[in-house]
Amino acid sequence: EAEVAQSPRYKITEKSQAVAFWCDPISGHATLYWYRQILGQGPELLVQFQDESVVDDSQLPKDRFSAERLKGVDSTLKIQPAELGDSAMYLCASSGRDRVYEQYFGPGTRLTVT
Amino acid sequence: GENVEQHPSTLSVQEGDSAVIKCTYSDSASNYFPWYKQELGKGPQLIIDIRSNVGEKKDQRIAVTLNKTAKHFSLHITETQPEDSAVYFCAAWSNYQLIWGAGTKLIIKP
Repeated sequence: EAEVAQSPRYKITEKSQAVAFWCDPISGHATLYWYRQILGQGPELLVQFQDESVVDDSQLPKDRFSAERLKGVDSTLKIQPAELGDSAMYLCASSGRDRVYEQYFGPGTRLTVT
Repeated sequence: GENVEQHPSTLSVQEGDSAVIKCTYSDSASNYFPWYKQELGKGPQLIIDIRSNVGEKKDQRIAVTLNKTAKHFSLHITETQPEDSAVYFCAAWSNYQLIWGAGTKLIIKP
């Protein structure tokens, strides 16, 4: 069964350091999402890509967060510099062209900033 | 914009009993309503969904019902089992994004 892959699964970093997360969506899925999930809450959309283009990054803190999907396949989310409040689960999801609303999630990256 | 409210925040049921989780939404234009199950330390898993042109959908022990007039939808789990213990999220598709409920922690008592 096709799955969304994410790495690393866990990341511990000190504040002010840079950190990066990687996502490989389900093969053929054109839309890719990055979400942040704080413990006990629902996912919060950070950025949405359609192929290699950003569709929505209105909730992405652009002073420290950046995201790219250069070839329209895998994607990287970067935080620089990391802050204590960035500790959360970072989730990647993807969906197909004809059912954009049907999103499939990866296992997530648990980030702890110390 | 769309707002999705989910109740209860915690639900404890005896193994074998049924569980019902309810969500309300505000945007009458929303037309897709998924339910996700999230186990500890894992990503959300899509377990069932419903489009606005359908009133009910079933998949083995789980079912979802939708009342468009009242703008609410519910998840029903019958014959609950220990592996059903998780956090369940409802969501609504609005303005090209999913708007999420706050989640329900389902506890199955042995």
